[in-house]
Amino acid sequence: GAVVSQHPSWVICKSGTSVKIECRSLDFQATTMFWYRQFPKQSLMLMATSNEGSKATYEQGVEKDKFLINHASLTLSTLTVTSAHPEDSSFYICSARKGRYNEQFFGPGTRLTVL
Amino acid sequence: GEDVEQSLFLSVREGDSSVINCTYTDSSSTYLYWYKQEPGAGLQLLTYIFSNMDMKQDQRLTVLLNKKDKHLSLRIADTQTGDSAIYFCAVDSGYSTLTFGKGTMLLVSP
Repeated sequence: GAVVSQHPSWVICKSGTSVKIECRSLDFQATTMFWYRQFPKQSLMLMATSNEGSKATYEQGVEKDKFLINHASLTLSTLTVTSAHPEDSSFYICSARKGRYNEQFFGPGTRLTVL
Repeated sequence: GEDVEQSLFLSVREGDSSVINCTYTDSSSTYLYWYKQEPGAGLQLLTYIFSNMDMKQDQRLTVLLNKKDKHLSLRIADTQTGDSAIYFCAVDSGYSTLTFGKGTMLLVSP
């Protein structure tokens, strides 16, 4: 199988606080994980590529100091939204790459609402 | 960079076939994928095709690739109400990243 979990599935926080989202590959090791953001009725936007043991690669326009990514092990990557504001409210989805054919398996997503 | 386009909406009756189309711009794309997203959920990989293939069939799903026209399609045979979802076409943009289309909402009516 290829199961990816995310925690939490939804979170509501106050403006100015930080929120950590976890992404785990449950039954395989993933040297590469990806973080996406999805706005309502829109496609996924790649935020960053997370490689185990090294710094994440951020897409153009994504603030690395705001969206901290840590890929500490082959099965876990975390995304921390620092000093969250209402405009950070979104659906955040992670994926983990398995195999040599770039198959990406996605987590169920985390709905973040910043009040 | 890569640009991936999809029609936004498709409505079919249960039992009919559905065809979802996708066009892309980067001819060097190696792998092309179809994902399904149900409301409030993450993405589920349905199938993928290598760029050196013209067709791939997997049960009710048929993927056709016209590399010359950079056109990809997903055909769902005998569409069921449970197939109602958003379908995303995604193209390998190199360096292990994927570029997604905006998604096609498929609505299946009884």
